[in-house]
Amino acid sequence: QKEVEQNSGPLSVPEGAIASLNCTYSDRGSQSFFWYRQYSGKSPELIMFIYSNGDKEDGRFTAQLNKASQYVSLLIRDSQPSDSATYLCAVFYGNNRLAFGKGNQVVVIP
Amino acid sequence: DAGITQSPRYKITETGRQVTLMCHQTWSHSYMFWYRQDLGHGLRLIYYSAAADITDKGEVPDGYVVSRSKTENFPLTLESATRSQTSVYFCASSPVEGRNQPQHFGDGTRLSIL
Repeated sequence: QKEVEQNSGPLSVPEGAIASLNCTYSDRGSQSFFWYRQYSGKSPELIMFIYSNGDKEDGRFTAQLNKASQYVSLLIRDSQPSDSATYLCAVFYGNNRLAFGKGNQVVVIP
Repeated sequence: DAGITQSPRYKITETGRQVTLMCHQTWSHSYMFWYRQDLGHGLRLIYYSAAADITDKGEVPDGYVVSRSKTENFPLTLESATRSQTSVYFCASSPVEGRNQPQHFGDGTRLSIL
């Protein structure tokens, strides 16, 4: 069973601040990781993926991967009200399958 | 670009009835997936398919049946619906085998079983 943990509760951030989300995973052999955004009542949409240790930046989003510590994080810089959503961490485990965390809700306060 | 479409978007039915949820993709993606999403559980994989005529169980397959006779279609059938199968169901696809292949999701079907 692939375990993906996103433990922190709803995150409230002021507009323009940085939102930081963390995800830990149980399988040390996991190789690639995805972040999805899901607006209320909508389907998940891909934000970015990462498979190398270190940082990967895409616009206002930065994914950080530390395989030794088995965590992956997502930073949202200059948070906007449109960033208010639930963010899902997903771990690849073969045959293109993904194991998803339960998600973290982000609320950006204008 | 139609992408991946699910039908119906909403369905209400009664316990014991058979229900089929449809998923159609226009990308010719090899892989297709069915998930259910429930509060407190997140997205859980029901079944997946690597190609036409190749399907396999996911995390929560009991009570569900799938088929994939054509690459573009991947229907999910609840043979005898139960209240515990009330959920939001998402279909997803990804193009080819590979650790960098994301999944693309349909809009979902909200299923209520009374």
